[in-house]
Amino acid sequence: EVQLVESGGDLVQPGRSLRLSCAASGFTFEGYAMHWVRQAPGKGLEWISSINENSGSLDYADSVKGRFTISRDNAKKSLYLQMNSLRAEDTAFYYCAKDKAWAIDIWGQGTLVTVSS
Amino acid sequence: QSALTQPASVSGSPGQSITISCTGTMRDVGGYDHVSWYQQHPGKAPKLLIFEVYDRPSGVSNRFSGSKSGNTASLTISGLQAEDEADYYCCSYASTNTRVFGSGTKVTVL
Repeated sequence: EVQLVESGGDLVQPGRSLRLSCAASGFTFEGYAMHWVRQAPGKGLEWISSINENSGSLDYADSVKGRFTISRDNAKKSLYLQMNSLRAEDTAFYYCAKDKAWAIDIWGQGTLVTVSS
Repeated sequence: QSALTQPASVSGSPGQSITISCTGTMRDVGGYDHVSWYQQHPGKAPKLLIFEVYDRPSGVSNRFSGSKSGNTASLTISGLQAEDEADYYCCSYASTNTRVFGSGTKVTVL
């Protein structure tokens, strides 16, 4: 079964850091670009970052550029998101997602990040 | 990186057809045929319905179809069913290798 499982979501104070992880299974992880997409509670989807198959291309939304870093470990079939200088507006469910033909065909269940003092 | 524009809500009766629009610019929807559509039920992860403007993944009902004209993409749901009540989002590849989602449309089956 193709599956993505996120972990690492937590309640964190503004200005602090957090690292999200995503474990992939059921597909050839190293063969696909991957994304992080977030959704604030009750709001719409927001693409925030993507990484290509060999980590040679990293892209970010303006809202997180310079604060968030995407990475992957193909040997461990894992995707990561390092989030620094967190703000209240970063509060959201964070989805790990697999790329397919410029779209996203597989989504994780999401992990909740809450930024609050 | 402004969100693509979708109507906040669309409704229809069972069996009817509805169309959801998704308007962007030449830097995203109008510039590339990399438009996708997603369905999201409350508390669930999104599900891919359409990719590359028109294509359906295996397992997705042919009641869902996509199209594009200029800077506007559209999703049509034909033969509307109760289970189609959900939120729908478009997404486009944008210049500088980024993606942009639409603002989302709540579909209500009357």
